[in-house]
Amino acid sequence: NAGVTQTPKFQVLKTGQSMTLQCAQDMNHEYMSWYRQDPGMGLRLIHYSVGAGITDQGEVPNGYNVSRSTTEDFPLRLLSAAPSQTSVYFCASSYDRGAHEQYFGPGTRLTVT
Amino acid sequence: AQSVTQPDIHITVSEGASLELRCNYSYGATPYLFWYVQSPGQGLQLLLKYFSGDTLVQGIKGFEAEFKRSQSSFNLRKPSVHWSDAAEYFCAVGAQSNTGKLIFGQGTTLQVKP
Repeated sequence: NAGVTQTPKFQVLKTGQSMTLQCAQDMNHEYMSWYRQDPGMGLRLIHYSVGAGITDQGEVPNGYNVSRSTTEDFPLRLLSAAPSQTSVYFCASSYDRGAHEQYFGPGTRLTVT
Repeated sequence: AQSVTQPDIHITVSEGASLELRCNYSYGATPYLFWYVQSPGQGLQLLLKYFSGDTLVQGIKGFEAEFKRSQSSFNLRKPSVHWSDAAEYFCAVGAQSNTGKLIFGQGTTLQVKP
């Protein structure tokens, strides 16, 4: 049982490039989410999904896309990277939307130059 | 709107001393409350949670927290801090029971002096 896995661990992009951050969980969790962590701001919700085929926006969705074609995977796409997207990104999952106890992946540290 | 405030950005305590990290929340209904810990370069690990019932909850690593509705607080405590407790601590509130969204505080960095 690997829990929540994220790839890559580190990434450097140039402004305007696109990329996909991968997130997978093997706990058959219904709920998955993406957060970004910036110094002094805690974690802010980007997008979340309450099940396969269902996604919704969080607090800071601009510049990011998500899809949820399977229960296991929840990739986060940066459409055209900007320096303001330099951050640490965490994926999380939980059994369902009501449980709220979320399990976090190890994070992806992204730098946009 | 829901919000979480951790008034202390940085706290330093001596090893063996007691610890209290403060958390205040704003939420209209009965909240779901959490404390997470993040060691350097790591993801977040759940320390403890409050959903309902006994307002004093016990967590892992010897931590406990007390929910005080009248003060809108959920402070984290530990009677004797160990050097390995040095980390960043986040308080979070369940924003809406139907969506599972969490609102996090800004975090408190704990430094432990030998």
